[in-house]
Amino acid sequence: EVHLVESGGGVVQPGGSLRLSCAASGFTFDDSAMHWVRQAPGKGLEWVSLISGHGGGTSYADSVKGRFTISRDNSKNSLYLQMNSLTTEDTALYYCVRGTHSGSYYVPDYWGQGTLVTVSS
Amino acid sequence: QSVLTQPPSASGTPGQRVTVSCSGSSSNIGSNTVNWYQQLPGTAPKLLIYSSYQRPSGVPDRFSGSKSGTSASLDISGLQSEDEADYYCAAWDDSLNGYVFGTGTKVTVL
Repeated sequence: EVHLVESGGGVVQPGGSLRLSCAASGFTFDDSAMHWVRQAPGKGLEWVSLISGHGGGTSYADSVKGRFTISRDNSKNSLYLQMNSLTTEDTALYYCVRGTHSGSYYVPDYWGQGTLVTVSS
Repeated sequence: QSVLTQPPSASGTPGQRVTVSCSGSSSNIGSNTVNWYQQLPGTAPKLLIYSSYQRPSGVPDRFSGSKSGTSASLDISGLQSEDEADYYCAAWDDSLNGYVFGTGTKVTVL
């Protein structure tokens, strides 16, 4: 069974940094691309970033490009999101999501339960 | 801002059929397959339809997807009370080089 557990969320001041982690199990981690998706309180879903199975390819939403960095450690079955220069607009529940290759891209399929990031002074 | 547009709400009585639409453009729905997610209150989203038409194992066949040009639709036939949730369409966008979600539709069972 696919299991994804996010951690590292919390309250941070504007301009601050935070590193999210996601522990994966139940599937071959290094065969799978991984996504981060976020959801602001009471709002819809927003894709944040994608990393390929071996970490060589990454992609970011324009809203976080240059501020966030996605990475992974396949030896630890772990995914990370380093978030810098945080603003109140980054306040959201951050989900770790497995990507399954379907057609020409990686479809986010299995989701973790999320970790809450609150940016507030 | 979402680049895929959905109606904010849809509703039906138990047993009825409800259709949720999703409008995009040539760089997303027009070029790539569409996925649909169901988010029950207080829970993480769940993949409901992938590759425009396919259902993951365990998803009831009451849920079906279709795509035509730059639009897609999710049909829920035989609506049940447990189908009350938010539904999101999504696709890869070749111009943005990223995954885009729809604005979301809240389905209410009357």
